[in-house]
Amino acid sequence: AQSVSQHNHHVILSEAASLELGCNYSYGGTVNLFWYVQYPGQHLQLLLKYFSGDPLVKGIKGFEAEFIKSKFSFNLRKPSVQWSDTAEYFCAVNAGLYNQGGKLIFGQGTELSVKP
Amino acid sequence: NAGVTQTPKFRVLKTGQSMTLLCAQDMNHEYMYWYRQDPGMGLRLIHYSVGEGTTAKGEVPDGYNVSRLKKQNFLLGLESAAPSQTSVYFCASSYRDNFYGYTFGSGTRLTVV
Repeated sequence: AQSVSQHNHHVILSEAASLELGCNYSYGGTVNLFWYVQYPGQHLQLLLKYFSGDPLVKGIKGFEAEFIKSKFSFNLRKPSVQWSDTAEYFCAVNAGLYNQGGKLIFGQGTELSVKP
Repeated sequence: NAGVTQTPKFRVLKTGQSMTLLCAQDMNHEYMYWYRQDPGMGLRLIHYSVGEGTTAKGEVPDGYNVSRLKKQNFLLGLESAAPSQTSVYFCASSYRDNFYGYTFGSGTRLTVV
């Protein structure tokens, strides 16, 4: 069965620090990868996605992620975080063509707290 | 505004009571999903539907039932609520190829006492 692991449960940074959140998945075939963000009290919103092509994908609000197939990883990065980036971040994967129903498997989430 | 609408937003149930959560989308999405969100466990799929009249079990289906009689609506039922079902429930929908990812509803916070 597919699974997604986010190893950082809670990350605390100061403003302007760089961010990298880890995401690893277990599936050997074609995958589609996503990062979602959930601001306090809100629903999940799509940050960025990878389907194919350039493994470095750019999303909204200055976020980017790199797909490294050999490491089964899709880490999220931002060069300089802001207080407004305080939120919970979820990595998600589906198994592409062979996953009927487009089901996303989510990681446990990483809570990011940015100190002003 | 187009999107996914969940009702109700909050609910408190007593153990053994039943209720139905409603999810409605106006984007003509084929696929719809119900997830529950619990601290430290991310989102776990309860049930999903790939089209009108179809439903399928997800990762944690026990204690829940669903129906999709119309393409735009996806109902989640709790027949006999238990404290373990205290959670935040999110509905989501997507196009068949999921290229744009999910569109999520704003969630239903359910407490079972």
